[in-house]
Amino acid sequence: NAGVTQTPKFQVLKTGQSMTLQCAQDMNHEYMSWYRQDPGMGLRLIHYSVGAGITDQGEVPNGYNVSRSTTEDFPLRLLSAAPSQTSVYFCASSPGTGVSNSPLHFGNGTRLTVT
Amino acid sequence: AQSVTQLGSHVSVSEGALVLLRCNYSSSVPPYLFWYVQYPNQGLQLLLKYTSAATLVKGINGFEAEFKKSETSFHLTKPSAHMSDAAEYFCAVSPSGGYNKLIFGAGTRLAVHP
Repeated sequence: NAGVTQTPKFQVLKTGQSMTLQCAQDMNHEYMSWYRQDPGMGLRLIHYSVGAGITDQGEVPNGYNVSRSTTEDFPLRLLSAAPSQTSVYFCASSPGTGVSNSPLHFGNGTRLTVT
Repeated sequence: AQSVTQLGSHVSVSEGALVLLRCNYSSSVPPYLFWYVQYPNQGLQLLLKYTSAATLVKGINGFEAEFKKSETSFHLTKPSAHMSDAAEYFCAVSPSGGYNKLIFGAGTRLAVHP
């Protein structure tokens, strides 16, 4: 089972460049989300989706866009990268939103550096 | 607003010693609480969860945590540390009562030395 797959694993961007971080899951999970991890700050929620065609903002959405055209994919777009977006990005998914559902499944992360 | 505070960004123990990682939460409603572990270059894995059932929760790899409402704490313990326990540990609270939209603490990096 592939689980949650994130690509690329590493990326270096120059300020102002754009890019898309890819996230795909093969578990037919309805819920998908993006977190960023920064030293001393834990993980912070950027955007999330409760199903295809439905997205919403998390705690730190500025500078990021998302869309959910299929159940499997949830790409994260940086339209104009800034050094403050240097971070490790994690995609996570789960079957639904209730406690009775299985916990979040995390990908292995994308390490992004913006110079 | 709910929040999580993890006391100690780095904890070092000897192999075989007790592991104690501290987590305090603030919540205006009964919380759901979680501990996750992150091994190097990997995503997070769920260790255990508290969802208002038993206050002593047992998880994987010999870890357990006790929910203490009077102290607003959910500390993680393991009686005997193993070298393979070296990782970063995150406490998290759920504002929605589910597994999603979790609020994470800053993390505690556990080092285990021989």
